[in-house]
Amino acid sequence: ETGVTQSPTHLIKTRGQQVTLRCSSQSGHNTVSWYQQALGQGPQFIFQYYREEENGRGNFPPRFSGLQFPNYSSELNVNALELDDSALYLCASSPWTSGSSYNEQFFGPGTRLTVL
Amino acid sequence: RKEVEQDPGPFNVPEGATVAFNCTYSNSASQSFFWYRQDCRKEPKLLMSVYSSGNEDGRFTAQLNRASQYISLLIRDSKLSDSATYLCVVTLYNFNKFYFGSGTKLNVKP
Repeated sequence: ETGVTQSPTHLIKTRGQQVTLRCSSQSGHNTVSWYQQALGQGPQFIFQYYREEENGRGNFPPRFSGLQFPNYSSELNVNALELDDSALYLCASSPWTSGSSYNEQFFGPGTRLTVL
Repeated sequence: RKEVEQDPGPFNVPEGATVAFNCTYSNSASQSFFWYRQDCRKEPKLLMSVYSSGNEDGRFTAQLNRASQYISLLIRDSKLSDSATYLCVVTLYNFNKFYFGSGTKLNVKP
């Protein structure tokens, strides 16, 4: 069974640029969540996708957007990058089913984004 | 107010010590509770779920107090390999969002 993978592992961008981060969910998982983890902080929930639809969003501006594809892989897009966007971006997948209160989330290794 | 609050530490303890971490959460509708472990520059990994009746997994014991809205993690007989950051996590029903605390750093010394 292949775990959650993310690409790229590291990325350097400049202010104002746009970035796309990618995530392949674990086999059989239909839900993908994205998190931003600044240095010394816990992961902050950005949004979640379930069956290609956004299924909840944290306190992040609209320049953070996402997609989920039919194979349940996902992208996180960030426009107009700011210095404070420098962080580790984590993707987590889970086999969420309607009516359940929880399914464990499995995290990928993350993409470390540096904005100069 | 943050959804989840944790003491950032660090907790510096000798091998063999018992150490306890606490975590408070603000939303009384929180449904599920977990402790995750995160090693330096790695992704978080589930350590254990926290059940209302309390639960134990080897040297690790987790407790939940819904009335006071806190959860705890007790580590007995600390090992060097327990050195990591421990993240408290709560979720709300339906959205399946995870709210993470900022983490408590544990350093176990020889």
